[in-house]
Amino acid sequence: EPEVTQTPSHQVTQMGQEVILRCVPISNHLYFYWYRQILGQKVEFLVSFYNNEISEKSEIFDDQFSVERPDGSNFTLKIRSTKLEDSAMYFCASRGDSSHSEQYFGPGTRLTVT
Amino acid sequence: AQSVAQPEDQVNVAEGNPLTVKCTYSVSGNPYLFWYVQYPNRGLQFLLKYITGDNLVKGSYGFEAEFNKSQTSFHLKKPSALVSDSALYFCAVRDRTGGNTPLVFGKGTRLSVIA
Repeated sequence: EPEVTQTPSHQVTQMGQEVILRCVPISNHLYFYWYRQILGQKVEFLVSFYNNEISEKSEIFDDQFSVERPDGSNFTLKIRSTKLEDSAMYFCASRGDSSHSEQYFGPGTRLTVT
Repeated sequence: AQSVAQPEDQVNVAEGNPLTVKCTYSVSGNPYLFWYVQYPNRGLQFLLKYITGDNLVKGSYGFEAEFNKSQTSFHLKKPSALVSDSALYFCAVRDRTGGNTPLVFGKGTRLSVIA
């Protein structure tokens, strides 16, 4: 069964450093998402992406964040200068082109900013 | 603004007993409704969704959910709980007006099934 994959599974970085989180969505999916989950809290939307551009973004997704689909398979989230409060589990998701398609989530990347 | 409420942080049930995890939502229009499950150190797994039609939706692992439009609820149910059902359950809604709208999640309910 196809699945969304994410790398790395765990990333530790120092405050102020740049990190890139990588995702490989399901191959025939066209809609992509990043969410995050701070420990013990609910899953929050960051950004959605379609046709090589951002569709929607939340207020969390400020100028420190960017997304990119550098090739036909990868979908990346970059945090330019990490802050302590960026520590969270980051989930990538993708879905098919039907408007009611469910989103499939990757296993997540745990980001720890020290 | 869309919001999802899961009023119980924790639900405890004995193995073999029926379980219910509650969810209510507040959105404009008729959203798509979803349930996801999260096992420790894992991503979210899709369980079931409501699009239209029959108010009782059947999903994976014997779970089902009942859509109630007048009460704006979408409670998750299972007739007979298993210890392996113990996990964190998230209700989510998505605007059906089109575009690439995201899921809006509730805060989650931890289900503990006791042998």
